[in-house]
Amino acid sequence: EPEVTQTPSHQVTQMGQEVILRCVPISNHLYFYWYRQILGQKVEFLVSFYNNEISEKSEIFDDQFSVERPDGSNFTLKIRSTKLEDSAMYFCASSLRGAGDTEAFFGQGTRLTVV
Amino acid sequence: QQPVQSPQAVILREGEDAVINCSSSKALYSVHWYRQKHGEAPVFLMILLKGGEQKGHDKISASFNEKKQQSSLYLTASQLSYSGTYFCGTRGGSNYKLTFGKGTLLTVNP
Repeated sequence: EPEVTQTPSHQVTQMGQEVILRCVPISNHLYFYWYRQILGQKVEFLVSFYNNEISEKSEIFDDQFSVERPDGSNFTLKIRSTKLEDSAMYFCASSLRGAGDTEAFFGQGTRLTVV
Repeated sequence: QQPVQSPQAVILREGEDAVINCSSSKALYSVHWYRQKHGEAPVFLMILLKGGEQKGHDKISASFNEKKQQSSLYLTASQLSYSGTYFCGTRGGSNYKLTFGKGTLLTVNP
């Protein structure tokens, strides 16, 4: 069964450093997303991406964050100058379409710990 | 604006039923239900579209009342494997993002 894969599963970084979280969406999917979940809290939308550009982003997704699809398979989230409050589980998701009737498949997540 | 889920937590014995509710103050195009086990990714359960439809998957079913902007998830004859946090995610008609509620922690005991 096709799945969304994320690497690394756990990343520890020092405050102020840059991190890149990587995702390989399901191969025929066209819409890609990043979500964040702080420990014990709800899943929060960060950004959606379609046709090589951001289609929607939340208030959380400020200039510290950027996304890229550097090749035909990877989808990355870059966090510049990490802060302690960036510590969270980051989930990548993908869907075949962007319409509201389409399910999004989530990866297993990357646990980011900023120390 | 995030949907509101109730209850926040529920504890069941195996075989009992539960209802989890999700409501929104905004007009909804669809409601998505996910289950997340501790330390794992959310797993898709079902989508309900406006039109007041109901759906079922094994012993888990859901309804969507478009007029009331509410959805309910019904778990019947619960199994131990149903334990986890259930999130409803809502989508308006003109955006891509899913806005999740705070979740309902369901614990099924033997």
